[in-house]
Amino acid sequence: DQQVKQNSPSLSVQEGRISILNCDYTNSMFDYFLWYKKYPAEGPTFLISISSIKDKNEDGRFTVFLNKSAKHLSLHIVPSQPGDSAVYFCAASVNSGGSNYKLTFGKGTLLTVNP
Amino acid sequence: NAGVMQNPRHLVRRRGQEARLRCSPMKGHSHVYWYRQLPEEGLKFMVYLQKENIIDESGMPKERFSAEFPKEGPSILRIQQVVRGDSAAYFCASSPRQGRTSYEQYFGPGTRLTVT
Repeated sequence: DQQVKQNSPSLSVQEGRISILNCDYTNSMFDYFLWYKKYPAEGPTFLISISSIKDKNEDGRFTVFLNKSAKHLSLHIVPSQPGDSAVYFCAASVNSGGSNYKLTFGKGTLLTVNP
Repeated sequence: NAGVMQNPRHLVRRRGQEARLRCSPMKGHSHVYWYRQLPEEGLKFMVYLQKENIIDESGMPKERFSAEFPKEGPSILRIQQVVRGDSAAYFCASSPRQGRTSYEQYFGPGTRLTVT
């Protein structure tokens, strides 16, 4: 059962344009959402997160939007740069006893930013 | 300030052999998490350990898999009698404490296990 879904395996955008990566989830108990970026032969690195009490979080070129009613979140990167080319994972967790350690990941979306 | 270290980076085992994967957390981190990524899948939580304690192993297969995090030395994920379906990338993450903020998990580069 895929509780976190990233339905687009890949996305290609031009440098300078906006990249929009989408993620859907099915578990209504999820209350914390994260985006990770992964380069080949490396582990995932944290990018940005959002709590379920918010609908938007912004950090520089990266913005995450959360639509709880639709169980959908998206990551916007603007402007996109060639160095952003990587696999992006959406992840979610449930607060259990004050901790959100068990992350559930989507399958990832390969973003390619063309110069 | 070294990050999370995992070794070996690549491991090839024949069916029936044992695989031992090691994870050294970041300095000052006493919480370790293991995740598995099967081909074409996302990472899946396996187990959460603190020094000398298994806190949550709900994601670990009941047979053949075990994990430990001794008082001294790295965390070890052990897979006995490996089968082809165990072929995957195994990632370790560490954190300084059991945090409310999950991003405090710092991931290692992973060990790619291939079972022939």
